[in-house]
Amino acid sequence: GEDVEQSLFLSVREGDSSVINCTYTDSSSTYLYWYKQEPGAGLQLLTYIFSNMDMKQDQRLTVLLNKKDKHLSLRIADTQTGDSAIYFCAESNDRRSQGNLIFGKGTKLSVKP
Amino acid sequence: NAGVMQNPRHLVRRRGQEARLRCSPMKGHSHVYWYRQLPEEGLKFMVYLQKENIIDESGMPKERFSAEFPKEGPSILRIQQVVRGDSAAYFCASSDTGVEQYFGPGTRLTVT
Repeated sequence: GEDVEQSLFLSVREGDSSVINCTYTDSSSTYLYWYKQEPGAGLQLLTYIFSNMDMKQDQRLTVLLNKKDKHLSLRIADTQTGDSAIYFCAESNDRRSQGNLIFGKGTKLSVKP
Repeated sequence: NAGVMQNPRHLVRRRGQEARLRCSPMKGHSHVYWYRQLPEEGLKFMVYLQKENIIDESGMPKERFSAEFPKEGPSILRIQQVVRGDSAAYFCASSDTGVEQYFGPGTRLTVT
């Protein structure tokens, strides 16, 4: 079945770059998303990439997509303590209804001062 | 432009009671989605609605759960005869195009 996997934890020092990785199984994915969740809060859409792109940059965030390996990554440059949160990867595809996203279990990013 | 609003933020119900969760989408958004998040888990899709129509309910449990998005007013997720296993955070998201989904703060349901 369709699945999205992420490592559960990542710890970095303030000022370093963070790279959060995600793999997915469905080769028909259309959009891939990164969401951020702070404790007790909802999910904040950070960025997303269409499956025919291989990179997208938005300020400190860089998304890389390797469609052949079904691998997605989110790089956060100059990581700050405010970036500490859980980051979810999600995907959509044409075989499910629009908006029926499949989420990974999330990567908890801890930023040490 | 207010974001997606959900209420209540916290809801406590005894086993066997009914839970009603409300979601007001962002202004101009006609697509509403409900997801459930169990502790230490990612979000699981439940249902996708547009005004007065259920588009996809493939993630909804077959019994006790229902959802609606009436012509006027918020979308409602209704859980009848709640059980302990229904304890979770329930998130609503809305979209205007279906590509970008914006999430509300969630309703945390506790069944005692």
